[in-house]
Amino acid sequence: NAGVTQTPKFQVLKTGQSMTLQCAQDMNHNSMYWYRQDPGMGLRLIYYSASEGTTDKGEVPNGYNVSRLNKREFSLRLESAAPSQTSVYFCASSEQTGPPDTQYFGPGTRLTVL
Amino acid sequence: KQEVTQIPAALSVPEGENLVLNCSFTDSAIYNLQWFRQDPGKGLTSLLLIQSSQREQTSGRLNASLDKSSGRSTLYIAASQPGDSATYLCALSGGSYIPTFGRGTSLIVHP
Repeated sequence: NAGVTQTPKFQVLKTGQSMTLQCAQDMNHNSMYWYRQDPGMGLRLIYYSASEGTTDKGEVPNGYNVSRLNKREFSLRLESAAPSQTSVYFCASSEQTGPPDTQYFGPGTRLTVL
Repeated sequence: KQEVTQIPAALSVPEGENLVLNCSFTDSAIYNLQWFRQDPGKGLTSLLLIQSSQREQTSGRLNASLDKSSGRSTLYIAASQPGDSATYLCALSGGSYIPTFGRGTSLIVHP
């Protein structure tokens, strides 16, 4: 099993450009999450999906949209990138529907917005 | 709002030492607490998860405890090894679906 995979690993954007970060899990998990990790700020939840077909805002959703394409895939879209969105983005999944139990993380996408 | 504090922010110890990492939280109404390890440039790896009704969990040389009344969890690492060098994070989940992470303790175990 590959676990949680993310693409791309690295990305550089110019201000105003758009892009979609892809995430997939092969563990048949119900819940999936998108986090960002910034120096001195810790991990913060952007959006989550507690089950296929549902998505909800986390702590820092502004400037982002998500799509739970199916049970396996959960994508994060930046419509108009800003320098403040420079960060490392992690996708995670957990088995149950509800408050997260053991979370499994992907390797991350390192995004720089110029 | 839940606040999670991890002290110390950084720790350097010689190989073989037993050590304790601390995680403090302000709201005792938690669902579970999870300890993670993060290697430089990598994602997070789950180490231990403690449910609200539990007091501790053990895995190999790791033992995590939870004391809701004092708002504290500790991660005990026995007989530390250079391979234990990493950043250790704790995360709490309350009744909502939004986990709150601490900022981590950066551990270096030198030979």
